[in-house]
Amino acid sequence: GQQVMQIPQYQHVQEGEDFTTYCNSSTTLSNIQWYKQRPGGHPVFLIQLVKSGEVKKQKRLTFQFGEAKKNSSLHITATQTTDVGTYFCAHQANSGYALNFGKGTSLLVTP
Amino acid sequence: NAGVTQTPKFQVLKTGQSMTLQCAQDMNHNSMYWYRQDPGMGLRLIYYSASEGTTDKGEVPNGYNVSRLNKREFSLRLESAAPSQTSVYFCASSGSGGAKTQYFGPGTRLLVL
Repeated sequence: GQQVMQIPQYQHVQEGEDFTTYCNSSTTLSNIQWYKQRPGGHPVFLIQLVKSGEVKKQKRLTFQFGEAKKNSSLHITATQTTDVGTYFCAHQANSGYALNFGKGTSLLVTP
Repeated sequence: NAGVTQTPKFQVLKTGQSMTLQCAQDMNHNSMYWYRQDPGMGLRLIYYSASEGTTDKGEVPNGYNVSRLNKREFSLRLESAAPSQTSVYFCASSGSGGAKTQYFGPGTRLLVL
């Protein structure tokens, strides 16, 4: 299926620094979802973006969907140790049911 | 609501043994999924069931079978386990309509020796 590429694969920041992960596709996406997985845990849904150029915020997290609907980003302002985990983007597969997940960006935050 | 539950949490198998991973959801969702997660590989879809009575292959179905027992339950069977099937297995479910946010279970950690 369509693949989305996530960069970077890993990021290590000091607490208080900002963090951004990017999700890129070679084809237009109908929507993009973001999930967070804490170490040892399971993926948890964060947000969905559908419209071209859409921007949504959840406290310190800002999600963007590109104008061409081929890329998306997740930005965390002033990271905290609770932000540690792996962040996945995902988009709906052609079947209309399953999701295709990126390989994720693992964030480590040190105090 | 328990959400999505999976059993067992951990399992160790010997090569060639069989086992069934169980998954149940209490959210009245139509669609259910099985993924495997390996380091650096993200989540890869094994099988999914769009609705009760239907199942379809995902990206990595070889070596697995599934059964959608009823609307609540979706099981994954390994007939003859191989070391390459050592992984963490997640079950997920989603409702119908819209872009289908997925809700994941806690996972089953499987080691095949």
